[in-house]
Amino acid sequence: AQSVTQLDSHVSVSEGTPVLLRCNYSSSYSPSLFWYVQHPNKGLQLLLKYTSAATLVKGINGFEAEFKKSETSFHLTKPSAHMSDAAEYFCVVSEGTGNQFYFGTGTSLTVIP
Amino acid sequence: DAGVTQSPTHLIKTRGQQVTLRCSPKSGHDTVSWYQQALGQGPQFIFQYYEEEERQRGNFPDRFSGHQFPNYSSELNVNALLLGDSALYLCASSLVAGTNYGYTFGSGTRLTVV
Repeated sequence: AQSVTQLDSHVSVSEGTPVLLRCNYSSSYSPSLFWYVQHPNKGLQLLLKYTSAATLVKGINGFEAEFKKSETSFHLTKPSAHMSDAAEYFCVVSEGTGNQFYFGTGTSLTVIP
Repeated sequence: DAGVTQSPTHLIKTRGQQVTLRCSPKSGHDTVSWYQQALGQGPQFIFQYYEEEERQRGNFPDRFSGHQFPNYSSELNVNALLLGDSALYLCASSLVAGTNYGYTFGSGTRLTVV
């Protein structure tokens, strides 16, 4: 069975400092992994995806994530936080084409000026 | 290029009533999935429609039903509303052969049951 654990419900960083949002997954097969961002009163926007290609995945707005099979992790990072990064972030796992997404409970990112 | 369009954006219903939510997928997409996002939680999968049939279903009661039309648009129906059905309902579209490349989500319908 698939599941996702986001290890921090809230993360607070200062503007210009690095961001690290942690995600561990459980999957019986080779998973597809995603990070989505949700700004208040907005829909979910895809940040990046891993689908069994390169383990270091680059996404939009300077975000990237590394797939580590041995650690079953898919942590999201950004070198320098911007005020506009404040939002809710969801780690998602899927087991391939046509299959449902399993969302984590989300990490709320606060960026302090 | 229009993304996923959902209507209405907000809705208030009374316990026991029925509600219909609508979704138009992104142009070129043929698969529609519905998710329920309770306050402070991650979205939970309700069901997925492809070729006008329900292909997968999450752990939701039969009060939740859906439909997909020939133009790929979709409806979510919820009968006998409970207070616990209050949530943001998200529609997501994709190509069935490409769901592992991610969905495109709409902005959702905020349903409040009173």
